[in-house]
Amino acid sequence: DTGVSQDPRHKITKRGQNVTFRCDPISEHNRLYWYRQTLGQGPEFLTYFQNEAQLEKSRLLSDRFSAERPKGSFSTLEIQRTEQGDSAMYLCASSLARGGRTYNEQFFGPGTRLTVL
Amino acid sequence: QKEVEQDPGPLSVPEGAIVSLNCTYSNSAFQYFMWYRQYSRKGPELLMYTYSSGNKEDGRFTAQVDKSSKYISLFIRDSQPSDSATYLCAMSAGNQFYFGTGTSLTVIP
Repeated sequence: DTGVSQDPRHKITKRGQNVTFRCDPISEHNRLYWYRQTLGQGPEFLTYFQNEAQLEKSRLLSDRFSAERPKGSFSTLEIQRTEQGDSAMYLCASSLARGGRTYNEQFFGPGTRLTVL
Repeated sequence: QKEVEQDPGPLSVPEGAIVSLNCTYSNSAFQYFMWYRQYSRKGPELLMYTYSSGNKEDGRFTAQVDKSSKYISLFIRDSQPSDSATYLCAMSAGNQFYFGTGTSLTVIP
């Protein structure tokens, strides 16, 4: 399967614990995006990378959220000191940036469902 | 005011009907307009995208963008039970991406 993969698919944690999610994009894609989706809502954009550079992070939800893409391939999203309100689906997407276009077709992974008890 | 407004439905139609899905938006800087389909417990799948105003057709799907009214639409012709899903509109301006809440569609055989 050469699509976007995310690991784990489900995560249950206790309030106050740190969690880290991994996203592996489509191999030739240079852009990688993180979104959060809560029940009955559309995805909420959090941040994105082009190669290893994080080009937009103003919409990370708080300073408890951070993301990395150290070698321009896979990415991790970490949530520190989790709260019950962090329970959601965390989606990753990737795209291949072409020329000067700011939008390129994003392919989504299956998501990581986080439950904070 | 939300950047993107979308009626969550639910919308229920008989097989073969024409479905009309709509979104409105407030940010005139949006340039790219997308429609995604999302099945339960899956990631969104891109159906169509358009740049600026106009129409775009792909098989049974037609996307329309009216920037003067800040209004976009997706039409599905000859709807099929397999079209039952949540349809999300999305828009982008620069490095910012915004989704609607999604409209739940059920096509009844």
